Amino acid sequence: DQQVKQNSPSLSVQEGRISILNCDYTNSMFDYFLWYKKYPAEGPTFLISISSIKDKNEDGRFTVFLNKSAKHLSLHIVPSQPGDSAVYFCAAVETSGSRLTFGEGTQLTVNP
Amino acid sequence: EPEVTQTPSHQVTQMGQEVILRCVPISNHLYFYWYRQILGQKVEFLVSFYNNEISEKSEIFDDQFSVERPDGSNFTLKIRSTKLEDSAMYFCASSGGRGPEAFFGQGTRLTVV
Repeated sequence: DQQVKQNSPSLSVQEGRISILNCDYTNSMFDYFLWYKKYPAEGPTFLISISSIKDKNEDGRFTVFLNKSAKHLSLHIVPSQPGDSAVYFCAAVETSGSRLTFGEGTQLTVNP
Repeated sequence: EPEVTQTPSHQVTQMGQEVILRCVPISNHLYFYWYRQILGQKVEFLVSFYNNEISEKSEIFDDQFSVERPDGSNFTLKIRSTKLEDSAMYFCASSGGRGPEAFFGQGTRLTVV
């Protein structure tokens, strides 16, 4: 099941710089997208979401961009902080559904 | 801040035994879910529950699995006869219904030996 794919298993950035995490999807029925952050031994924590009727949603240091024609979304974190170091999952939901389909996750490491 | 709580944090069980994983969702939420993550794999959907019945389930959620909301606060996942491959982190989640954003508990690590 590769409906949601995060091609980069890991990303390392310097503190203060921008982190860009990418996610691709194949299912045209997905119309809502979410990003979660996960620390070891904890559950996923909701970060930010975007509906397919928008192409950008911003919340503080976090911005999600959606390119529907390319079936691609990205999460920008700026400025990155060491506390942002975690695994980031993108997830998608189909129209009128509630099941989250997750990507594999990207381990972000922010170096001081 | 309201949160989803899960007990126990770690459960070790013998193959073939029944286990019950417990969750207390956020109190005013209407939708409840179980997900699992086998080590090194994706987080996978198991089941969603709304209005005291299963609203959706995945192919993983076979006859060995059941869910229940025995009272107004708890939400449980039962595995009738555990297999080695059931070893995973099990996450409970809940959502308020205004959007699909689900809030997850800290997980129960199930180890089947």
